[in-house]
Amino acid sequence: DQQVKQNSPSLSVQEGRISILNCDYTNSMFDYFLWYKKYPAEGPTFLISISSIKDKNEDGRFTVFLNKSAKHLSLHIVPSQPGDSAVYFCAASDGSYGGATNKLIFGTGTLLAVQP
Amino acid sequence: KAGVTQTPRYLIKTRGQQVTLSCSPISGHRSVSWYQQTPGQGLQFLFEYFSETQRNKGNFPGRFSGRQFSNSRSEMNVSTLELGDSALYLCASSQTGTPSYNEQFFGPGTRLTVL
Repeated sequence: DQQVKQNSPSLSVQEGRISILNCDYTNSMFDYFLWYKKYPAEGPTFLISISSIKDKNEDGRFTVFLNKSAKHLSLHIVPSQPGDSAVYFCAASDGSYGGATNKLIFGTGTLLAVQP
Repeated sequence: KAGVTQTPRYLIKTRGQQVTLSCSPISGHRSVSWYQQTPGQGLQFLFEYFSETQRNKGNFPGRFSGRQFSNSRSEMNVSTLELGDSALYLCASSQTGTPSYNEQFFGPGTRLTVL
């Protein structure tokens, strides 16, 4: 049972335009959401996160939006750059553990290709 | 500060064999988590160790086991390897015992191929 879903395996965007990556989840106990970026032959690196009590978090070119009623979050990258080309993973933390774990539930990833 | 290191980086084994993977967390980090990444499945949580104790375990068979040493280094072991165990195994370390998401760092992974 996939609790975190990224339904778009890939996305292609022109340099300078906006990239929008989407993520859906099913577990209403998720209390924290994160986006990780992964290049080939490297481990994932943390990009941006959002608490379930917020609906938006911004960090430079990256903004994450959370719609709790729809159980949906999205990552916006503006403007997109060729160096942003990577696999992006959405991840969630289950609040039912009461904060006693670092376990994350990941989506299957979206491959973003930014064309020059 | 050195990052998370994983050894070996690549490994080829045959079915039925066992394998041990190693993870050295960032100095001072006490929490180590292991994930399996396969095509189409994303990252699947295997287990987490904090201060030498397993705090959480994912839905993997008992063939998958792990441990953490007093210096926070961690190992995972897979016995009786199956073809489906071929994957990238990632280790992540964190300084704190409670979720501090900005501080969870991943290693480059060990690519295991089972023939």
